[in-house]
Amino acid sequence: SQQGEEDPQALSIQEGENATMNCSYKTSINNLQWYRQNSGRGLVHLILIRSNEREKHSGRLRVTLDTSKKSSSLLITASRAADTASYFCAPNTGKLIFGQGTTLQVKP
Amino acid sequence: DAGITQSPRHKVTETGTPVTLRCHQTENHRYMYWYRQDPGHGLRLIHYSYGVKDTDKGEVSDGYSVSRSKTEDFLLTLESATSSQTSVYFCAISGQGYEQYFGPGTRLTVT
Repeated sequence: SQQGEEDPQALSIQEGENATMNCSYKTSINNLQWYRQNSGRGLVHLILIRSNEREKHSGRLRVTLDTSKKSSSLLITASRAADTASYFCAPNTGKLIFGQGTTLQVKP
Repeated sequence: DAGITQSPRHKVTETGTPVTLRCHQTENHRYMYWYRQDPGHGLRLIHYSYGVKDTDKGEVSDGYSVSRSKTEDFLLTLESATSSQTSVYFCAISGQGYEQYFGPGTRLTVT
């Protein structure tokens, strides 16, 4: 499977702390994307990092990509209760292949 | 939700009955996708379309068919619903960029 696999499956932190989620994949990619899903809602695109990029920032989000290790990480800094959601990485090999996601709980 | 709607939002149907889910977009995007989301499996691609009348199979296409007669509409049909097709179905669209925009989902229960 070309599936993106997120780690950990679940993460619980206090508001204000940083949250780090990791993703591994198996084949060459064009880019890798991260999505967020709030309970009962559709996925929302957060950030895209191309295969020739190593790091990208968007607000409180920082994504890294290591194509040699076929891995990516998403860092959310200074987390808020509103960041509570599931987060999915999606390696793009022509199609997006989603993993099972990391469920993040941010406690107020 | 980026001009994308799904109907119905909830449906309960009996085993063996046909079911059609509709995805409608107002963005004029070329690509449209149908996914299902199940606990333990994440999001899996059923079928996708890269233009009017142009469709292709995804990872879990057995038991599903699709049609796209207009740019804005992408229909997913379960010819004879089974309990294993109980799931939440998401439609997504994408344009020239790689990012996808998702609809709100349809919760389908097959009894």
